[in-house]
Amino acid sequence: GDSVTQMEGPVTLSEEAFLTINCTYTATGYPSLFWYVQYPGEGLQLLLKATKADDKGSNKGFEATYRKETTSFHLEKGSVQVSDSAVYFCALSDLGTLTFGKGTMLLVSP
Amino acid sequence: GAVVSQHPSWVICKSGTSVKIECRSLDFQATTMFWYRQFPKQSLMLMATSNEGSKATYEQGVEKDKFLINHASLTLSTLTVTSAHPEDSSFYICSAATLGTLGAGELFFGEGSRLTVL
Repeated sequence: GDSVTQMEGPVTLSEEAFLTINCTYTATGYPSLFWYVQYPGEGLQLLLKATKADDKGSNKGFEATYRKETTSFHLEKGSVQVSDSAVYFCALSDLGTLTFGKGTMLLVSP
Repeated sequence: GAVVSQHPSWVICKSGTSVKIECRSLDFQATTMFWYRQFPKQSLMLMATSNEGSKATYEQGVEKDKFLINHASLTLSTLTVTSAHPEDSSFYICSAATLGTLGAGELFFGEGSRLTVL
């Protein structure tokens, strides 16, 4: 079945550092890929998405590129802020059902 | 953006009692709602999918008589944990989609409800 694997956290960074959160997937079809973010005390919200190979999703300075050859969708940001501290979930959608990774907590200190 | 609200956000109950959690789409009509369970440091586990006006479809291993799901209208779905036991303690999250967003795999999530069974 479909699965998503993302790096375990927490990831601890200083403000303005470069961020990478790795995500790889296994799917039988041609899924859409997503990054969702969960800020403390809030529900999940869509951060960015990509629907086909080589697409790049981007939002709020974050970006991720759909790499079919490596089945990856790594999340990157050039300069993180304290307000980016949250849990990030990589997910894939195949035929309308979302499959999530375990989530990676990001902690950014001033 | 589309808003989904869950209530209560936090509930404590005694073992053997039943608890109802509501999930509402506030500014759109949700043709499909999903219920997830999230364990500490674990991913979201899909429990069931419900379409308005029809019976929920449960994932393998989820007891439908234990976790009753009702999707009576396009803006409300409820999850009732019947005869709750301490092992049912968890974080329950709902999400909703319209026909248009479901095809794109884009869901709107509630804030989650933390259930603690004593």
